This record gives sequence, C-alpha cells and structure tokens, in this order.
Amino acid sequence: SQQGEEDPQALSIQEGENATMNCSYKTSINNLQWYRQNSGRGLVHLILIRSNEREKHSGRLRVTLDTSKKSSSLLITASRAADTASYFCATDNYGQNFVFGPGTRLSVLP
Amino acid sequence: ETGVTQTPRHLVMGMTNKKSLKCEQHLGHNAMYWYKQSAKKPLELMFVYNFKEQTENNSVPSRFSPECPNSSHLFLHLHTLQPEDSALYLCASSQALNEQFFGPGTRLTVL
Repeated sequence: SQQGEEDPQALSIQEGENATMNCSYKTSINNLQWYRQNSGRGLVHLILIRSNEREKHSGRLRVTLDTSKKSSSLLITASRAADTASYFCATDNYGQNFVFGPGTRLSVLP
Repeated sequence: ETGVTQTPRHLVMGMTNKKSLKCEQHLGHNAMYWYKQSAKKPLELMFVYNFKEQTENNSVPSRFSPECPNSSHLFLHLHTLQPEDSALYLCASSQALNEQFFGPGTRLTVL
C-alpha cells in the first residue's frame, strides 16, 4: 500500500502568498523527505527531517513532522512563480527503500 | 546539475525493438535506483542496487532488465515493451538511505 499521501493534490496561489502542503503516512519511519519536480524533469531534494525532529527550516521552506499523527507539512513562504512545480514527500521505513506519494501540484500565479 | 546524468533524454521505440537506458553518477554514492513515472501515478520504484548488488525488484516485468557493472553506472535494458510502458524513467543515487539525487530522466514512448 502507498505510504505517503500528499494533500491537497493541487494548489493555486498568488505570488507572495504562503503555500502549505501536507503529507500523511501509515507506518513508522526513519526519516521523511520532501522533493520538488519541475514539469517532466528529475526530482530535486529539498529537505530531510528525521523521526526525532519536529521542525526544520531551509531558506523559505519550513517542514514540520508529527510522528504521533504520522503527518508532515511543507510550508513555502513568500512564494514566487519559480516555485511552480510538483512537490512529493518520501518516507524511509527503517531500511526499506523510499516510498513516494502522488504529489501536490503547486501553481504560483504572478 | 545534480551529478546524475541519463541518456538518452528522449527515446521512441517500437514494441519489437531492444534499447538501453544509461545512468551515470559522479557523486561517489553506493546506491542507485530506477523509477518509473507515469502520468497521474505516483513515482514507482523499479530496482535498487546497493554496492552493485540488486537489493530490490518491485515485481517489474522481465521485459525490463537492469544491469549495474559498477557503483557509478546503471543500465536498464528494454525488450519487447508495451505501449503502457511509455513513461518518464528516472535514475537516482544516494549514499546509504539518505537524500536521493535524481537524473533528468528519459522520456520513453513505445509505439
């Protein structure tokens, strides 16, 4: 069964607004990662958060992890048109390989 | 540029053709992966190689045959594919199970 599920499936916002995407998973994890994919291209790693961490920041990105709820969120602040992409969460289940969710497609309108 | 290259970037083949996809990583990683990405479907892990040994084969049909001659190179040999195999094939590498670095992908079309 699929491990990660992103929510919403699609999100449209205006430039300058914040974008929040959520990821839920089913089993215990070692770490959770967020990736970005521009249309038809390879994925780019954004941030990794370990199971014993609750929050992590990288530039305009903020990731939270709630292991009790088996969920994570990715916040992009002050969005730009260049942030338009699909965003995926991937979970590492203690030695099993990463399982990717279906992704959230973000559109940032100028 | 992620340090992972894939060739060709685009490939069109007939169902009776034999072709190969190539992936090379210049990062010194010990694990390499093949993923399939079809429209409106989650990324599907196909094969994993760790230190040149295959550690994962997610029920992939035998018409897809991977080869890992060394820890820097990974191939995916294609034979008698079906139109539903048309997809973006992504290669990735990682050091252990840390962040994965992806190549740009090969867009495959099977006629």
